[in-house]
Amino acid sequence: GEDVEQSLFLSVREGDSSVINCTYTDSSSTYLYWYKQEPGAGLQLLTYIFSNMDMKQDQRLTVLLNKKDKHLSLRIADTQTGDSAIYFCAEGGATNKLIFGTGTLLAVQP
Amino acid sequence: EPEVTQTPSHQVTQMGQEVILRCVPISNHLYFYWYRQILGQKVEFLVSFYNNEISEKSEIFDDQFSVERPDGSNFTLKIRSTKLEDSAMYFCASSQKGGAGELFFGEGSRLTVL
Repeated sequence: GEDVEQSLFLSVREGDSSVINCTYTDSSSTYLYWYKQEPGAGLQLLTYIFSNMDMKQDQRLTVLLNKKDKHLSLRIADTQTGDSAIYFCAEGGATNKLIFGTGTLLAVQP
Repeated sequence: EPEVTQTPSHQVTQMGQEVILRCVPISNHLYFYWYRQILGQKVEFLVSFYNNEISEKSEIFDDQFSVERPDGSNFTLKIRSTKLEDSAMYFCASSQKGGAGELFFGEGSRLTVL
């Protein structure tokens, strides 16, 4: 069945770049998403990429998609302490039934 | 900025009791969803709803679950007879388009079944 995998934890220093990786299995995915979840809060949509694109940049965020390898990454430039959160990768097909990854906890050290 | 709002933020209930979780989607959105996240596990799709009927549901969404849009603004999830394993964070979401795209989530309702 469909599956999305992420590494569980990433620690970076403030000011460095963070790269969070994700792999997925469903080749028919139409959109791939990154959501951010701060403690006690909901899921905040950060960005998403259509499957026929290989890159999308939005301010400090860069999404790279390697469709052949079914690999998605989120790069956060100049990481700040406020970026500390859990980041979820998700894939969606023709409907909005999203399949989420396990989430990556990003810890930013001052 | 428009947002999806959910109530209650936390509900504690006894096993076997009925629970209703409420959501107010973004006003011009037409597609509504419930997802849940059991502590330490992935966020899982439960159900999608459009034009006053269920579009798609997962295996989790059995006969104990139902959804309703009782008026023009609320979208509810009812669990008829709660079980311990229903304890989770329940997220409501809405979108303007159905064919994937921007899906906006509420802050969640934490359900604890004792």
